[in-house]
Amino acid sequence: QVQLQESGPGLVKPSQTLSLTCTVSGGSISSGSYYWSWIRQPAGKGLEWIGRIYTSGSTNYNPSLKSRVTISVDTSKNQFSLKLSSVTAADTAVYYCARGDGGTPGNYWGQGTLVTVSS
Amino acid sequence: QSALTQPASVSGSPGQSITISCTGTSSDVGSYNLVSWYQQHPGKAPKLMIYEGSKRPSGVSNRFSGSKSGNTASLTISGLQAEDEADYYCCSYAGSSVWVFGGGTKLTVL
Repeated sequence: QVQLQESGPGLVKPSQTLSLTCTVSGGSISSGSYYWSWIRQPAGKGLEWIGRIYTSGSTNYNPSLKSRVTISVDTSKNQFSLKLSSVTAADTAVYYCARGDGGTPGNYWGQGTLVTVSS
Repeated sequence: QSALTQPASVSGSPGQSITISCTGTSSDVGSYNLVSWYQQHPGKAPKLMIYEGSKRPSGVSNRFSGSKSGNTASLTISGLQAEDEADYYCCSYAGSSVWVFGGGTKLTVL
């Protein structure tokens, strides 16, 4: 069974770039017709889809975040990554990585990692 | 894309049935049969309960069912159990390779 694990700094300063990595185990990130997504959740609030990358490397982003987001994949390490630039306190959230397909953005999820934006 | 609209909370007694609504627009829920539902317990990652409107992943109880009418999707939980108490989120494809979530509904089992 596929498993996902987020990693990265838990504290980022305002105006800097948030960088997270999701490591996939239990299967190759290159196999199958899957999308690899990032989804976030501010404390006490709902889920927000950030964007996704396909195994081919093609990406799609939430229009509200598109100017600040970059998602990339490293198939040699079985990982995909998120970069969110010019962060503010509003970007403080638990960030999840997930595997999805054409029918849903997340049939498997990582446990999530809290990122706090603060000086 | 605006967030889908869900009631903030619903409640029911053990054994009863409840329904959670998820209202979108003709650009998302109304246009695609691609609504999914997630269950989230406190401090845990979301768990997929329903996808493509009414399909259940392997291992999900058949007490959970999904449906859609127009721009509104619904999740019904029958035979309510204590462990069903959680937050529930709907999610719909919104076109242009974008997904949108609902604001979430807190289910309380009385």
